[in-house]
Amino acid sequence: GAVVSQHPSRVICKSGTSVKIECRSLDFQATTMFWYRQFPKQSLMLMATSNEGSKATYEQGVEKDKFLINHASLTLSTLTVTSAHPEDSSFYICSARDSSGGAETQYFGPGTRLLVL
Amino acid sequence: QKEVEQDPGPLSVPEGAIVSLNCTYSNSAFQYFMWYRQYSRKGPELLMYTYSSGNKEDGRFTAQVDKSSKYISLFIRDSQPSDSATYLCAMFRSGTYKYIFGTGTRLKVLA
Repeated sequence: GAVVSQHPSRVICKSGTSVKIECRSLDFQATTMFWYRQFPKQSLMLMATSNEGSKATYEQGVEKDKFLINHASLTLSTLTVTSAHPEDSSFYICSARDSSGGAETQYFGPGTRLLVL
Repeated sequence: QKEVEQDPGPLSVPEGAIVSLNCTYSNSAFQYFMWYRQYSRKGPELLMYTYSSGNKEDGRFTAQVDKSSKYISLFIRDSQPSDSATYLCAMFRSGTYKYIFGTGTRLKVLA
């Protein structure tokens, strides 16, 4: 299957700092990428849909000024958590939509664990 | 009512058992159905992808979709301890690429 990478895999930061997470599709072009958040023992919560070359679409309740998303190329999307606070500590996972070959599916990155002190 | 319902488990089975994992859904417009496996602290890994009703088999895994009952299943034959993970069902309807996920079922296969 297709490969999606995320960097960093883990980050610890102080409250008030900003953290950038990168999501890359390594062997296919992704016009659409998604950002999810996952709390322990809970399912994935979609935060936003990122479309290459346009503004992201945020889910209800997700602060767009808090979670900045940029999808500058067909293989890279970034999520920046601005002025992070302890309640932002979570597991952030991206996925990339692959619509090549007629099948429509999402491939997920390995996730980024954020801990805000 | 949630759009997708999935028993969170945990489900414990002995090694070699046949495992049945299920999801029900309420939106009859869903046409694409997936099963993902997620190990602890990792991203979900796509296991099975099914369009509309029917069965699909891949090695020890079989996915079934019954659209009339709004019910999907994943069967794992000859389960192994390495199958211990959380299994998430996901689905979406044509025209939107937003996946709707189940809560995930935690599976433990005991050696």
